[in-house]
Amino acid sequence: KNQVEQSPQSLIILEGKNCTLQCNYTVSPFSNLRWYKQDTGRGPVSLTIMTFSENTKSNGRYTATLDADTKQSSLHITASQLSDSASYICVVGKSNDYKLSFGAGTTVTVRA
Amino acid sequence: GAGVSQSPRYKVTKRGQDVALRCDPISGHVSLYWYRQALGQGPEFLTYFNYEAQQDKSGLPNDRFSAERPEGSISTLTIQRTEQRDSAMYRCASSLADGSWADTQYFGPGTRLTVL
Repeated sequence: KNQVEQSPQSLIILEGKNCTLQCNYTVSPFSNLRWYKQDTGRGPVSLTIMTFSENTKSNGRYTATLDADTKQSSLHITASQLSDSASYICVVGKSNDYKLSFGAGTTVTVRA
Repeated sequence: GAGVSQSPRYKVTKRGQDVALRCDPISGHVSLYWYRQALGQGPEFLTYFNYEAQQDKSGLPNDRFSAERPEGSISTLTIQRTEQRDSAMYRCASSLADGSWADTQYFGPGTRLTVL
């Protein structure tokens, strides 16, 4: 069973609207959680990284939250733009371990 | 170059043939990772190098898969006697330091392998 579960699998939103993506994980011992953006045909690019002591991190119109107690994270996209159309992957790292656990991603499609 | 590069970008081969996939990491990056990514899934770890040393190959599916990084820079992932189930996107990533939590991995564009 995947240790990182993301929802929804995909969503479609209108340009200018907001959306929130969810990530639940069971990775332990937890070290850090990252959100990556993967454009079609490209490699994933890091958006945010949070450790257990951080509960929110912003990168422009992207805001990630983390609740290490419930092992949940969310990525909120504000005022979506067409360029936000991509797959968003939640990635969790273990303590003292270079290996990362990847979620399957949420595919976001922004329509004009 | 400015980022991680991989070649070829696309590879179509017949079942039973050997293929070699190349990764050129960001200059100066110590760590190099190989992943396999199925359509609609996140990357799956294959192997990890620290400089030229292959520190972890636990993700390689079987002994038909091997990887090397002889001079601590460019790496080659080789798949012998390819099978149709090997068809996937193979991604390489590199990071500056030693894979600690703060070390961001930068991904290449991938090689799309199709085995007929």
